[in-house]
Amino acid sequence: KQEVTQIPAALSVPEGENLVLNCSFTDSAIYNLQWFRQDPGKGLTSLLLIQSSQREQTSGRLNASLDKSSGRSTLYIAASQPGDSATYLCAVTNYGGSQGNLIFGKGTKLSVKP
Amino acid sequence: EPEVTQTPSHQVTQMGQEVILRCVPISNHLYFYWYRQILGQKVEFLVSFYNNEISEKSEIFDDQFSVERPDGSNFTLKIRSTKLEDSAMYFCASMAGGNQPQHFGDGTRLSIL
Repeated sequence: KQEVTQIPAALSVPEGENLVLNCSFTDSAIYNLQWFRQDPGKGLTSLLLIQSSQREQTSGRLNASLDKSSGRSTLYIAASQPGDSATYLCAVTNYGGSQGNLIFGKGTKLSVKP
Repeated sequence: EPEVTQTPSHQVTQMGQEVILRCVPISNHLYFYWYRQILGQKVEFLVSFYNNEISEKSEIFDDQFSVERPDGSNFTLKIRSTKLEDSAMYFCASMAGGNQPQHFGDGTRLSIL
């Protein structure tokens, strides 16, 4: 059974710092991996999707990498800003017939201090 | 930018009552999902829906749950007889096609008393 783990559970950094969030998954047979942002009391905002054949995806200050064989992904945030404060969720879709059902980690709660 | 909309934002219901949670997915999307998040826990998959039928459901999605797409735009989740443990945030999501990102609504907070 696929399990997704995110470390650390919480992270506090000063504004301007570059940071890395980690995600690991137990079954490497994934179809894709998606990173989301969740603000308190709100829904999930899709940040990046990496297909299983890809190594990384970039959007603005965000860069996500995928090492499928080792079951790991990282989300790199450059020059962090207070507006980046949120919970970041990693989710995978298993390969084979699951119609895109996402399996989530518990998230990393990021706080960026001005 | 098109978005997934969910109503109501908050629903309070007595245990044993029926509830219907409503969602309007993004208009050209083909795949629809319901997830739930109990306070402090992971987001959990409930059910996926494609081509007017359920394509997969989790162990959570028992006989008390049902989904419908009654009119080609709305997508509903019904819980027939609510229990205290059904209290959670329920999220609707939609996806345009295979290997595309899923887009989520803001959720309905369901509180069972």
